Amino acid sequence: DAKTTQPPSMDCAEGRAANLPCNHSTISGNEYVYWYRQIHSQGPQYIIHGLKNNETNEMASLIITEDRKSSTLILPHATLRDTAVYYCIVRGQNSGGSNYKLTFGKGTLLTVNP
Amino acid sequence: NAGVMQNPRHLVRRRGQEARLRCSPMKGHSHVYWYRQLPEEGLKFMVYLQKENIIDESGMPKERFSAEFPKEGPSILRIQQVVRGDSAAYFCASSPSGAGEAFFGQGTRLTVV
Repeated sequence: DAKTTQPPSMDCAEGRAANLPCNHSTISGNEYVYWYRQIHSQGPQYIIHGLKNNETNEMASLIITEDRKSSTLILPHATLRDTAVYYCIVRGQNSGGSNYKLTFGKGTLLTVNP
Repeated sequence: NAGVMQNPRHLVRRRGQEARLRCSPMKGHSHVYWYRQLPEEGLKFMVYLQKENIIDESGMPKERFSAEFPKEGPSILRIQQVVRGDSAAYFCASSPSGAGEAFFGQGTRLTVV
């Protein structure tokens, strides 16, 4: 079962920042927060991941609270092509256990409106 | 650097036939994951393989489904005696190790008629 909670849907105006929240209150110390998105039944696309520090790449920024119980994915300037289901996933890094798998929940359907 | 390649992209099989889905991981990646997405549902983990080894098959149905990742060549997901309930999108992902980001292919859409 997914260890994260996300709102089922969100809307965002084109050109504005999209802020997608995720709660992961039971996250363990060695577990990372990953974000993927799936655009209309295409293969899931990796966006970003982090452990406890904020991360930024060419696609997005990831803000993780100090207690690590929640995080926010930020798309700084959303475009229509960013309309997708966004998945927040908690994942361990030890292949010896069971939590190295990417376990997808229901995600958030982000709709970017013109 | 080509991404994860899956073929065929679309596969139609009659009930009772066999389906073979292929996944070529990214160059340098020796870890492969298979996922299934039923219509209007989420992605479900099926199996995790390293070269020549099945590491975790806890998501695989007990019968008719098998997977392999040989030393040479692509990973294969095999479904014997397909039924209509097997109709789904099957996605493969690869990573260089059991940690870090995994990259997905575009999937194979299986339709059983």
